[in-house]
Amino acid sequence: QQQVKQSPQSLIVQKGGISIINCAYENTAFDYFPWYQQFPGKGPALLIAIRPDVSEKKEGRFTISFNKSAKQFSLHIMDSQPGDSATYFCAASTSGYSTLTFGKGTMLLVSP
Amino acid sequence: DVKVTQSSRYLVKRTGEKVFLECVQDMDHENMFWYRQDPGLGLRLIYFSYDVKMKEKGDIPEGYSVSREKKERFSLILESASTNQTSMYLCASSLGPNSNQPQHFGDGTRLSIL
Repeated sequence: QQQVKQSPQSLIVQKGGISIINCAYENTAFDYFPWYQQFPGKGPALLIAIRPDVSEKKEGRFTISFNKSAKQFSLHIMDSQPGDSATYFCAASTSGYSTLTFGKGTMLLVSP
Repeated sequence: DVKVTQSSRYLVKRTGEKVFLECVQDMDHENMFWYRQDPGLGLRLIYFSYDVKMKEKGDIPEGYSVSREKKERFSLILESASTNQTSMYLCASSLGPNSNQPQHFGDGTRLSIL
């Protein structure tokens, strides 16, 4: 049973546009929601994370929006650049547990 | 910076062989993880360890075992390799028992079983 559903599977955005990736979860015990970025040939790296006590977190061009009632969270990449082309994974976990449940990933291509 | 090092970038083995994948982290992290990554399936947790000589099954432990004899080293073992274990394997580590600690990943081992 997939506990974190991520969409779309792939995304093409023009340079300067906004990239939006969505995730939905089922387990209401989840209380930590990180996003990981993976470039080809590299392991994933933490990009940004949010807890459910806030509805939005922004770091530079990257913003997480969180909707607790809908059990959804999303990553917005403003002014997308070709260097943002990568695979993005959302994830979720529960306090007291070390493991993360990952979405299946979104392959983002930002065209020049 | 945390460094997680996986011993091989590419590995080719034959069906039935016993295969060892090695992972070392240099930041005294408590937790270590093994994932496999397959197109369209994302990252799936195989095993994790929260202390030396401790291990816990993840979502897909069948056909795998692990060993953690030292804090910095976590090994994944394929007891009798099969073609359906051809995949990218990723090792990760995190600081402590709190889940709100980022996981730091190695660059992966691409394993082919012929």
